[in-house]
Amino acid sequence: DAKTTQPPSMDCAEGRAANLPCNHSTISGNEYVYWYRQIHSQGPQYIIHGLKNNETNEMASLIITEDRKSSTLILPHATLRDTAVYYCIVRVADAGKSTFGDGTTLTVKP
Amino acid sequence: DTGVSQDPRHKITKRGQNVTFRCDPISEHNRLYWYRQTLGQGPEFLTYFQNEAQLEKSRLLSDRFSAERPKGSFSTLEIQRTEQGDSAMYLCASSHGQGKPNNEQFFGPGTRLTVL
Repeated sequence: DAKTTQPPSMDCAEGRAANLPCNHSTISGNEYVYWYRQIHSQGPQYIIHGLKNNETNEMASLIITEDRKSSTLILPHATLRDTAVYYCIVRVADAGKSTFGDGTTLTVKP
Repeated sequence: DTGVSQDPRHKITKRGQNVTFRCDPISEHNRLYWYRQTLGQGPEFLTYFQNEAQLEKSRLLSDRFSAERPKGSFSTLEIQRTEQGDSAMYLCASSHGQGKPNNEQFFGPGTRLTVL
């Protein structure tokens, strides 16, 4: 699995967009980008995933660069409940394990 | 609630005792995963099953650890002769599995193990 690099922490004002970056410069052509988040003391929660194209669902948007070496998770209107650790993972879709790094701790402030 | 349940949610044991955790995946999912997470770290992969077959085991899964999924439904993770270093959150996840276009993993709430 490709290694990912994320900033250790970020702050965001409530109501503003939170943009969380992830570098995955060694990603392979068949590897997807997955995002999860983990609120304190809970299990990780799946957010979104993509291969090449930008993706959007009810929780977030995923922007993947054309060379696929980096991506950005966008929470369009962050709320206090979005405070969590966000993990970016790259893996083949039907692979077994997911390799988590240390993630980005996002703190949404009033 | 993702539909993945784990039992117990918390376990306190003394060093040297055996413990067993249970995971019930989402019913239509044929893959089941176990991860371990220590404070301040991301989850670390331990093992996974496709139906009842255990397809991959991490080097983290020492001889004291054993996981089973006998009927391809629920799974158990047993730790024998627990050590203080086993203290962690044990997470279970499930997914549709091989050949499915969307193989995102859905995690349970975890079992927090404290070894005294």
